[in-house]
Amino acid sequence: AQKITQTQPGMFVQEKEAVTLDCTYDTSDQSYGLFWYKQPSSGEMIFLIYQGSYDEQNATEGRYSLNFQKARKSANLVISASQLGDSAMYFCAMREGGRDDKIIFGKGTRLHILP
Amino acid sequence: NAGVTQTPKFQVLKTGQSMTLQCAQDMNHEYMSWYRQDPGMGLRLIHYSVGAGITDQGEVPNGYNVSRSTTEDFPLRLLSAAPSQTSVYFCASSKKAGTHNTFGSGTRLTVV
Repeated sequence: AQKITQTQPGMFVQEKEAVTLDCTYDTSDQSYGLFWYKQPSSGEMIFLIYQGSYDEQNATEGRYSLNFQKARKSANLVISASQLGDSAMYFCAMREGGRDDKIIFGKGTRLHILP
Repeated sequence: NAGVTQTPKFQVLKTGQSMTLQCAQDMNHEYMSWYRQDPGMGLRLIHYSVGAGITDQGEVPNGYNVSRSTTEDFPLRLLSAAPSQTSVYFCASSKKAGTHNTFGSGTRLTVV
């Protein structure tokens, strides 16, 4: 069965520092996708970045990168040069391929950027 | 292009009442899903659909029904509301396989 684990309930980071949010996953599928979403205090869910299980290179989107370590089943989000506006809840999610095509989420990490 | 539209945004129900949360998307997405978000629990999948006429249970389906008669609409029905169903509900849609969800703005439901 799919499982997503985010072990950091909350993090405090100084502005302009880089931050790594941890995510580990469990799946028996060879084909799957990993996602990160941001949820600011306003409540909307914002898609940040995607990594496919067969992608050889780590995904990057601006200041976001996904540190994908397939053998360790980890998909950590790295935010470079953090900004005050990065303060939010961050969710890791996984989508398996095949018939059981559903996306499940971890419990999230609340990130606080300190000025 | 409206994306994913959820109605209502807020709702208060009495225990035992029924209601339907509406979700519509105009992106011709095959895949639609409902999640509930509770403090400390992240987003939990209630039901999902991989196409019109096809639905399946997620992680927490009890107390909820869905149907998918059209590609655009995926309503979520609460047949007899319970206080444990107090939550924020998100509808999402995507193309199949390898793509991310687009989320609606959420419905905040309180059952008293």
